[in-house]
Amino acid sequence: QAGLTQPPSVSKGLRQTATLTCTGNSNNVGNEGAAWLQQHQGHPPKLLSYRNDNRPSGISERFSASKSGNTASLTITGLQPEDEADYYCSAWDRSLTAWVFGGGTKLTVL
Amino acid sequence: EGQLVESGGDLVQPGGSLRLSCAASGFSFSSCWMTWVRQAPGKGLEWLATIRGDGREKFYLNSVKGRFTISRDNAKNALYLQMSSLRAEDAAVYYCTGETYFNAFDLWGQGTVVTVSS
Repeated sequence: QAGLTQPPSVSKGLRQTATLTCTGNSNNVGNEGAAWLQQHQGHPPKLLSYRNDNRPSGISERFSASKSGNTASLTITGLQPEDEADYYCSAWDRSLTAWVFGGGTKLTVL
Repeated sequence: EGQLVESGGDLVQPGGSLRLSCAASGFSFSSCWMTWVRQAPGKGLEWLATIRGDGREKFYLNSVKGRFTISRDNAKNALYLQMSSLRAEDAAVYYCTGETYFNAFDLWGQGTVVTVSS
């Protein structure tokens, strides 16, 4: 089952802005929307956003998500050391009738 | 606040079987779609199976269909994953996750470790 496409790694400086991308197709991201998860080493994932641009309570406003066509994006502003983590996108695929994940992006804060 | 606690992970020989459990609390379990996700060492997240709140609809990753079975007992607020014919590549941390508020995986357990080795 094909997954979503994410760049393996992104590096940005402290207090800079990082934009992570997640590309799918019309069966998943395009029409079902995407969610973003953050995972620190040794910990379970944590939901950052859902249905493209909604943020659960308790998630910092520095994290914002969006979608354009079949590509979802997560923008993190004012990067902090604690933002260094793996970020995954996920979406329901209506054709596969399966959830699909991206391969994950490792964000390094320099 | 919701909580998920997995158990049942163990060392198992290739070809063996194992049943994972996930105890849920703090939310309306029977109303929620629940899912098992795994993560092999150093790898990304892999969706395995999802079950509807009433247990009547299930979806599986093709590569585990026929080997893994997801089920739930709403009276016990419990989710299960029965795994059989285990292979070395099934070794991973197995997470229980649920869509408790949103149409997304908003609640996660800490995971349980499955090792497949002779």
